[in-house]
Amino acid sequence: EVQLVESGGGLVQPGGSLRLSCKVSGFSLSTYWMNWVRQAPGKGLEWVANINQDGSQKYYVDSVKGRFTISRDNAKKSLYLQMNGLRADDTALYYCARGWIAPATGPPLHSWGQGTLVTVSS
Amino acid sequence: DIQMTQSPSTLSASVGDRVTITCRASQSINSWLAWYQQKPGKAPKVLIYKASSLESGVPSRFSGGGSGTEFTLTISSLQPDDFATYYCQRYNNNWSFGQGTKVEIK
Repeated sequence: EVQLVESGGGLVQPGGSLRLSCKVSGFSLSTYWMNWVRQAPGKGLEWVANINQDGSQKYYVDSVKGRFTISRDNAKKSLYLQMNGLRADDTALYYCARGWIAPATGPPLHSWGQGTLVTVSS
Repeated sequence: DIQMTQSPSTLSASVGDRVTITCRASQSINSWLAWYQQKPGKAPKVLIYKASSLESGVPSRFSGGGSGTEFTLTISSLQPDDFATYYCQRYNNNWSFGQGTKVEIK
C-alpha cells in the first residue's frame, strides 16, 4: 500500500524556518517525481514545488522561490521541504504527493499524504 | 501567468443528477489538465488527467472533456459519495489550481 507521511509542521514566528519531511512506503521513491502542495485553512490548493528522481530538476511556485528548497534522500525514502523566511501567508496544511515517472505520463499528483500543518504567527 | 477559473463555485444537486463543472484557462494549456476530488479533512484524490483520461479505480460516472482553454468535469449520476469539493489543475508550466467547486446536497 502506498503511504506518504508528512511531519515537521508546527508554530513558527514570521521570518523563522522549518523543515518538513515526508516518509514514503509501498513504492520505490527513486522512481518518481515528488511534490509539495499546500492548502491554507479554508482555502484552495496551491502547488508549491516538485523535484525529479535524482534531484537535478527542481521547480517552485513564484511565491516561494528563494525561500523554500525541496530535496530528497531516496535511500532514506524521504522528501523534504526547507522553508526559510516564513511569512503569515505561508500558513497552511502542507501535503507531499507522489508525481509521475516521466513528465506527462499519468496524473501529475497521484498519491497524497495527510499533510502537516504549518502556522506562521507571532 | 495563466489563470484557472472554475464555475460554479458552489453547486447544489440531488442524488441521480447529472452534474457538470467548468474550468477555464486564460491561455491555451492544450490538454494538460487534471481534476481532483477533496472531502472535508481528507487529502485530494485524482479523478482525471490529461483532460479526459480516467484514473484507474475511479468510477466511470466521472468523465472529463475539453482542450485548449475550456474543460469540463461531468458526473453522469451523482452518488452520495460524490458530495465534495472539486479542483481543476493545469500542469503545462507553473502548475496551478482552480479555486474549487463545492458540490452540496440540494
